[in-house]
Amino acid sequence: NAGVMQNPRHLVRRRGQEARLRCSPVKGHSHVYWYRQLPEEGLKFMVYLQKENIIDESGMPKERFSAEFPKEGPSILRIQQVVRGDSAAYFCASSPPGSYRELFFGEGSRLTVL
Amino acid sequence: LAKTTQPISMDSYEGQEVNITCSHNNIATNDYITWYQQFPSQGPRFIIQGYKTKVTNEVASLFIPADRKSSTLSLPRVSLSDTAVYYCLVGAPNSGGGADGLTFGKGTHLIIQP
Repeated sequence: NAGVMQNPRHLVRRRGQEARLRCSPVKGHSHVYWYRQLPEEGLKFMVYLQKENIIDESGMPKERFSAEFPKEGPSILRIQQVVRGDSAAYFCASSPPGSYRELFFGEGSRLTVL
Repeated sequence: LAKTTQPISMDSYEGQEVNITCSHNNIATNDYITWYQQFPSQGPRFIIQGYKTKVTNEVASLFIPADRKSSTLSLPRVSLSDTAVYYCLVGAPNSGGGADGLTFGKGTHLIIQP
């Protein structure tokens, strides 16, 4: 049973470039969540998606950040024109339909902006 | 959103029982309480979930008093490998949307010493 798969595990970008982080949920899971974690801080909720729908993006910055979860393929978190402050660990989680908020997390993608 | 308050850090020793309390004074009728564990450089892992009274699994117990304004995660006979950050979340069951119950906060950093 494959868990939540995130890639890349590590990504280095220069300021102004784009970062794309991918997340494949547990097979059969229809809910995907993205979180950001800065060093020595807790997890900050960014966005909650179901297939082809954004359910809640209240935690996502209004500019430069976008997320999608297409009908086919992984969920993508896209950060345009990255800045140094975007350096963080980005975690994806998934949950099956009907469950109550038991989230299965991936190992995270660590973005470093030079 | 129900807000939670946890101690920032706790220390204990191998073999001891550790109790971490979470305050959630504004918990709503439909809200459940969920605890996660996170090791450095890893995604959080679900530990236990409950609504009222007591829940026990192979890893921990969760005690919830009648007023549900707090909950206590109990870890029996801890070992060095239980050193981690523990998060308490409060929120409602999946009801079609919203980030309710998805806010992690800064958690409790538990340090177990030999």
